[in-house]
Amino acid sequence: QKEVEQDPGPLSVPEGAIVSLNCTYSNSAFQYFMWYRQYSRKGPELLMYTYSSGNKEDGRFTAQVDKSSKYISLFIRDSQPSDSATYLCAMGRPGGTSYGKLTFGQGTILTVHP
Amino acid sequence: DAEITQSPRHKITETGRQVTLACHQTWNHNNMFWYRQDLGHGLRLIHYSYGVHDTNKGEVSDGYSVSRSNTEDLPLTLESAASSQTSVYFCASSGGRDQPQHFGDGTRLSIL
Repeated sequence: QKEVEQDPGPLSVPEGAIVSLNCTYSNSAFQYFMWYRQYSRKGPELLMYTYSSGNKEDGRFTAQVDKSSKYISLFIRDSQPSDSATYLCAMGRPGGTSYGKLTFGQGTILTVHP
Repeated sequence: DAEITQSPRHKITETGRQVTLACHQTWNHNNMFWYRQDLGHGLRLIHYSYGVHDTNKGEVSDGYSVSRSNTEDLPLTLESAASSQTSVYFCASSGGRDQPQHFGDGTRLSIL
């Protein structure tokens, strides 16, 4: 079983829809969480970073972390065709030999059609 | 603006050749990482460094090496390229171990 599970999709939605992207994880040692967006032939671009449970909002994006359920989500409101990309969740754990390294989900391919 | 630059963006080479991929960052970050990204495997860590003269193996380090002689650069060397090393390679850096990593735009490497 992978430490981080992410539904690969693909996910196709109409413009203006609310998108929900999700990751589950098995290791309770993960304490900080990120979402990246990756356009075709580009590197992953950081969207959201959070170190605590709860919600964090940035414009049309909301990151949600539920450490008790080992579940993180990214919500995109009023989705646009320019949001079409692959979305990667990532997480890290403080201390120990893994400190500083990230564990990534496989990525979810999102297409927003006009 | 600070950035992380990878070169070349594309490369085609033959099996058995030595190949070096460059990574240069102007963030002044201590931590630097090399990943490969393949369909079905996602991002896999090859090598990483937490400072000058520090290097560590990641989960898929066989056949690769790195050296860190300054803060800005972490070149990745394929000692004897194999077809299984055809992939997209990403370099990343972070300002602290609990900080997010910032990625370059990758090098697409084909080994024939």
